[in-house]
Amino acid sequence: NAGVTQTPKFQVLKTGQSMTLQCAQDMNHNSMYWYRQDPGMGLRLIYYSASEGTTDKGEVPNGYNVSRLNKREFSLRLESAAPSQTSVYFCASSEALQRYYEQYFGPGTRLTVT
Amino acid sequence: AQSVTQLDSHVSVSEGTPVLLRCNYSSSYSPSLFWYVQHPNKGLQLLLKYTSAATLVKGINGFEAEFKKSETSFHLTKPSAHMSDAAEYFCVVSDSSGTYKYIFGTGTRLKVLA
Repeated sequence: NAGVTQTPKFQVLKTGQSMTLQCAQDMNHNSMYWYRQDPGMGLRLIYYSASEGTTDKGEVPNGYNVSRLNKREFSLRLESAAPSQTSVYFCASSEALQRYYEQYFGPGTRLTVT
Repeated sequence: AQSVTQLDSHVSVSEGTPVLLRCNYSSSYSPSLFWYVQHPNKGLQLLLKYTSAATLVKGINGFEAEFKKSETSFHLTKPSAHMSDAAEYFCVVSDSSGTYKYIFGTGTRLKVLA
């Protein structure tokens, strides 16, 4: 099993450009998440999908959109990138959005916006 | 509202000496608590989790943590540090007020000296 995979691993964008970060999991998990990691701030939740067909905002959703394409895939889109979106982005999944289930994380995407 | 505080942003230990990484949480409900490790340029890996069973939780690579409700703490320990333990460690509380989303601490960077 590959677990949680993310593409691309690295990306450089100019301000105003758009891009989509891709995430897929092969563990048959119901819930998926997008986080951003900034120095000294831990991880912050951008959006999550409790189950296929549902998405909800997290702590820092502004400037992002998501699509739960199917049970396996959950993409994050930046419509008009800004330098403040320079960060490392992690996708995660869990069996369900319940207290007993841990989240499994992908390797991350390092995004720089100039 | 739930929150988690990691009391030290950096910890240095010598190889072979004990490791203590401190975490305090705030929760109005019975929390689920997790410790994750992140090696440089990698994703997050689960070390251990507490979900209201035994208060002393054993994890991978010799780590353990004790849930102390009276002190609202969930400190991570290891009897003897290895060079390979050098990484960033995150304490996480699961928001048990209904959504079970993760709330991350800001991380503790562990340095292991030869």
